[in-house]
Amino acid sequence: DTGVSQDPRHKITKRGQNVTFRCDPISEHNRLYWYRQTLGQGPEFLTYFQNEAQLEKSRLLSDRFSAERPKGSFSTLEIQRTEQGDSAMYLCASTSRDHTDTQYFGPGTRLTVL
Amino acid sequence: AQSVTQLGSHVSVSEGALVLLRCNYSSSVPPYLFWYVQYPNQGLQLLLKYTSAATLVKGINGFEAEFKKSETSFHLTKPSAHMSDAAEYFCAVSDPYNFNKFYFGSGTKLNVKP
Repeated sequence: DTGVSQDPRHKITKRGQNVTFRCDPISEHNRLYWYRQTLGQGPEFLTYFQNEAQLEKSRLLSDRFSAERPKGSFSTLEIQRTEQGDSAMYLCASTSRDHTDTQYFGPGTRLTVL
Repeated sequence: AQSVTQLGSHVSVSEGALVLLRCNYSSSVPPYLFWYVQYPNQGLQLLLKYTSAATLVKGINGFEAEFKKSETSFHLTKPSAHMSDAAEYFCAVSDPYNFNKFYFGSGTKLNVKP
């Protein structure tokens, strides 16, 4: 396993711009999670996929946020019309079919909105 | 929703001293329980987990945690701290009605003094 990877690792953008992050889970992991982590807080659940199906979305995920996992492999998280309050670390995690309770986390994408 | 409380956002111990990081959860239904460690600029790494087997769980790097249902607690301990243990530690629980969804505490930063 090469681990969960996320791209980019850092993103600086101006308020109002759109950004897209990518997560590549561990190969053959069927569940993929997105979390947001702000300074001094633990990860907050945003959404998760089982294969290509998005099974649950948090109320934290406003209409400006959208996530996809079109082929059940990598996933993208897009934030439209970014706001300063979107500045955070966005974490991705994946789990396998056999160990659905064990999440493997990527290194995260740190977003700074100016 | 499940809530997780980690008492003490910062804990400082001397090298060789006992490490005790506290975690309490809110559910009346015993969830799955986890401890993760996060080093700077890295993703979270699973230390150990409780999933309804033995109440005393041993993890990596000499850490262990004990599930106490009566106290709704899952405190993390290590008999002797090493400098390399300095990191941020997160307690997490599964949703008792959806074991595929997880909630994290706000984290405890462990400082180890020489």
